[in-house]
Formats: sequence, C-alpha cells, structure tokens
Amino acid sequence: DTAVSQTPKYLVTQMGNDKSIKCEQNLGHDTMYWYKQDSKKFLKIMFSYNNKELIINETVPNRFSPKSPDKAHLNLHINSLELGDSAVYFCASSQAQGQNSPLHFGNGTRLTVT
Amino acid sequence: GDSVTQMEGPVTLSEEAFLTINCTYTATGYPSLFWYVQYPGEGLQLLLKATKADDKGSNKGFEATYRKETTSFHLEKGSVQVSDSAVYFCALSEGGADGLTFGKGTHLIIQP
Repeated sequence: DTAVSQTPKYLVTQMGNDKSIKCEQNLGHDTMYWYKQDSKKFLKIMFSYNNKELIINETVPNRFSPKSPDKAHLNLHINSLELGDSAVYFCASSQAQGQNSPLHFGNGTRLTVT
Repeated sequence: GDSVTQMEGPVTLSEEAFLTINCTYTATGYPSLFWYVQYPGEGLQLLLKATKADDKGSNKGFEATYRKETTSFHLEKGSVQVSDSAVYFCALSEGGADGLTFGKGTHLIIQP
C-alpha cells in the first residue's frame, strides 16, 4: 500500500490555466506538507497543515492555495499558472510536529507550464 | 535561521569505493538530523536519522554521526554499489510547523 500518494504524476498545461494536485496519506499522520523542488533539486517548503489548520506559508504567491477536506488529504490548487511554476511538487506527511518525526514523501508531481 | 550545507555534486565514484558526503548545519537549538535519498523519478525516502549529539544513524550500510562540536552529520559508506546512485539530501528539524530544512542535495553517480 502506498503511504503517501499524489496525482497526477505528470501535469502539462498552458500559462494562465488553473490546475490541482491531489494528495492522500494512509498513515494516520497529523501533519501534511507541500514542497516544491526546482530544476536544481532544491527543496523548499510551501505549506504545512496540522489538523486541517494551515500552520505556515513560506512567502508562496497567493495563486497557490492548499485545501484539506480531512486529515488524510491535502490538495494543492494553483491559479493562473506561470512558466516559473514548472517544477516537481512533493506532498509529505509526519506523525507530529516534533523534531524527531521524519517526513514521508509522495513520489512527486512534475508540473510543466508551457 | 536554520540552514544545511552539503557538498555540491555530482560525485562520481567507482563501485566498491568509499563514500563520504559532507553535511554541516546551523541551528538555534539542538535539532534532529536526517539523511534522505531520492532515486530517479521517485520521492524522498528516509535513509537514517540521529536525534542527539554523538548518536550514530545507520541503514543499508550507510552511517552518519551527529557531531555537535563541529555541527556536522557526514554520510559514509564503506563500499558503494551502482544501485546507490541517487541524490542525497541532508536535513534538520527543530520541531514545530516548519517541517524539515534541507540542504541542496548531492547527486551521487556510481560507475561499474
């Protein structure tokens, strides 16, 4: 069973479109995250959600909006897509916010904006 | 703020060579330290972790020791295999909602 699953795996779209990426975890974890990985493999945290409450937002444009219908899901909506949004987006979850709680990652969604 | 610095890649080695990937960190408190591995086309997988000074994390032949005095967490393996080719990320966590702070990743290439 996949612990953290995200769909789609690949997403190709044009500038100006609106798209969503879905994420689900079956680990019973309390906290979920979205990370962006650029072409140089650098990982930057975008959001984290704990018990359906947004905890942080790391200077991400408001075109990006996380939505969590329940504890097991954290979807990412992106409006008015731009070329610079092209990247791999990773969903992750952890059991708690404690520093000893490792993150479990999905396999990523490669977004290409043309 | 917290930061993690790791050696730039790519690092290219022959099979059975000894591996060291350096990682140093800056943090305000006493973080937990992690190494993650990313195989092509996949997400990050936890490789090993250490939660306090002098702890040694180990997994799949990889080891790293939490050195508080040098703020380091270098990754080592005695004999690498082609299947170890991947991108390796050093990371730290001080808890709270900030998740993990990652280094920039080191691309490791093992040649047969």
